[in-house]
Amino acid sequence: DGGITQSPKYLFRKEGQNVTLSCEQNLNHDAMYWYRQDPGQGLRLIYYSQIVNDFQKGDIAEGYSVSREKKESFPLTVTSAQKNPTAFYLCASSLAGHNEQFFGPGTRLTVL
Amino acid sequence: KNEVEQSPQNLTAQEGEFITINCSYSVGISALHWLQQHPGGGIVSLFMLSSGKKKHGRLIATINIQEKHSSLHITASHPRDSAVYICAASTGTASKLTFGTGTRLQVTL
Repeated sequence: DGGITQSPKYLFRKEGQNVTLSCEQNLNHDAMYWYRQDPGQGLRLIYYSQIVNDFQKGDIAEGYSVSREKKESFPLTVTSAQKNPTAFYLCASSLAGHNEQFFGPGTRLTVL
Repeated sequence: KNEVEQSPQNLTAQEGEFITINCSYSVGISALHWLQQHPGGGIVSLFMLSSGKKKHGRLIATINIQEKHSSLHITASHPRDSAVYICAASTGTASKLTFGTGTRLQVTL
């Protein structure tokens, strides 16, 4: 089945540790996105990538890093520089130039 | 002020009621999306529209470009409709989305 997978669903880390969230899609989509969701707020864009080996900062990129070495994969690293990393993280993808995005199931990160 | 505003924030309805969720936006858009987020967190796209009206089953979405306003209607609501409904606007290039804060709907028996 085609879709977007994110793993793990729940992730716990100690403060000060970097953590990498996985996002894989087999939809052959060119563009991929990472969003953060906090209670009472709309989803906010962290990073996006329109093509392999290229990515751009979104609205809240500080404390995060990404890579896009393969079309189907867009991992997000939450670094120790991110002041409030506890949140729900959603990955999405779309065809190039198309408005409709398809979302993964999300990863809930808790930093203790 | 958010570029995309939704109302109400929370909505409780009894099974069978007609439900309306509103979305206003202050930016130029290429498309307006309605998304559904279930308690587990996964998001599915319900509608994407740039004009007029779309219908899928008991769900209807409308948009008024001049007034920068969209509505999502649910007819004959059912407890399984309980979810968070999110309005999002496609703005600019790169298919970027600007999201509303969501409307939490609870439908009771």
